Amino acid sequence: GENVEQHPSTLSVQEGDSAVIKCTYSDSASNYFPWYKQELGKRPQLIIDIRSNVGEKKDQRIAVTLNKTAKHFSLHITETQPEDSAVYFCAASRETGGFKTIFGAGTRLFVKA
Amino acid sequence: DAGVTQSPTHLIKTRGQQVTLRCSPKSGHDTVSWYQQALGQGPQFIFQYYEEEERQRGNFPDRFSGHQFPNYSSELNVNALLLGDSALYLCASSTPLKGHGYTFGSGTRLTVV
Repeated sequence: GENVEQHPSTLSVQEGDSAVIKCTYSDSASNYFPWYKQELGKRPQLIIDIRSNVGEKKDQRIAVTLNKTAKHFSLHITETQPEDSAVYFCAASRETGGFKTIFGAGTRLFVKA
Repeated sequence: DAGVTQSPTHLIKTRGQQVTLRCSPKSGHDTVSWYQQALGQGPQFIFQYYEEEERQRGNFPDRFSGHQFPNYSSELNVNALLLGDSALYLCASSTPLKGHGYTFGSGTRLTVV
């Protein structure tokens, strides 16, 4: 079945440093890759997404890269701030037909001030 | 504009009982997906509803069932509750017309004792 693996499970960085979270997916038909941020006790929120016809996308301090051949995609956060501390989930889906979205297990990011 | 609303926010049930959770999607969204999120884990796909029909289903037993109404709202029913059903149940709405990024509700925290 479809699977999304996410690493690392926990990541601790100093404020101002960069953080990188990596994911791999198994369904080669996946073509939509969203990332969600979930703060403690709150709902997951979409922070950025990328489609398979694009290799990289950037939005201010966050960027995502996609390697379709290797079935890898990554989230990069630069100049981290304490408010970036949260759990981040990667996910994969086939965009057409409203296919289900499969989530990774999550990465707990701690940004130390 | 109200986002995704779920009710109730918290629920305590006894093993063997039945429970119904409710979700109202974001305005303009017509697709509702339900997820189970155990503590410290990523959301696990239960099923997705579109046009009042179950379109996709994850690896959950038949004890989990759902419904979508003409106004796009949805219910998740769980019969014969087990201790292992204790989790946060998230509803996510979306529409194929605007890509497949989800808007999540705040969830229902179900505790089975």
